[in-house]
Amino acid sequence: AQRVTQPEKLLSVFKGAPVELKCNYSYSGSPELFWYVQYSRQRLQLLLRHISRESIKGFTADLNKGETSFHLKKPFAQEEDSAMYYCALSYSGAGSYQLTFGKGTKLSVIP
Amino acid sequence: NAGVTQTPKFRVLKTGQSMTLLCAQDMNHEYMYWYRQDPGMGLRLIHYSVGEGTTAKGEVPDGYNVSRLKKQNFLLGLESAAPSQTSVYFCASSRPQSMTVSYEQYFGPGTRLTVT
Repeated sequence: AQRVTQPEKLLSVFKGAPVELKCNYSYSGSPELFWYVQYSRQRLQLLLRHISRESIKGFTADLNKGETSFHLKKPFAQEEDSAMYYCALSYSGAGSYQLTFGKGTKLSVIP
Repeated sequence: NAGVTQTPKFRVLKTGQSMTLLCAQDMNHEYMYWYRQDPGMGLRLIHYSVGEGTTAKGEVPDGYNVSRLKKQNFLLGLESAAPSQTSVYFCASSRPQSMTVSYEQYFGPGTRLTVT
């Protein structure tokens, strides 16, 4: 069965410090991984996906199949990065695709 | 485009009462989903639909029913609400999965439900 683990419930960093939000997964197939973000009082939105290999708002994430990880990184945290971050894994089932979410990490950037 | 909308935004129910949450999307998406979000639990899939007239169970379907009579709408029903169903409910929609890529899910703003 697929599983997504985000080991940190809360991560606090100072403004300008590097950020790394950890995500590990277990899945027997070929994974597609995403990071979704939820800013205060807003809906969830896609931040980035591993197949795009792009940087969004200064964030990057690399899929490491050997370590089954998809950590989210940013070299210099900004106050506006404070939010809830969810790692998600896409898998196929019953003719559809579904997302399995991790439990989320709350990032707090201290001014 | 409004994207994905949900009504109501807030609701308080007493144990045993019933209600229906409405999700609507104007992006012509085939797939729609209902999740619940609880502190420390992340998002868990309740039910989903791959097209008009079809629904399927997700991870936590007990106590909920759904219907997809129109492509743009996905209804989530609670027949007899319980305090354990106190949660924030999110609806999402997406394009169908292709052979090579899974598409982004677009989320609604959420419905905060309290069952007393």
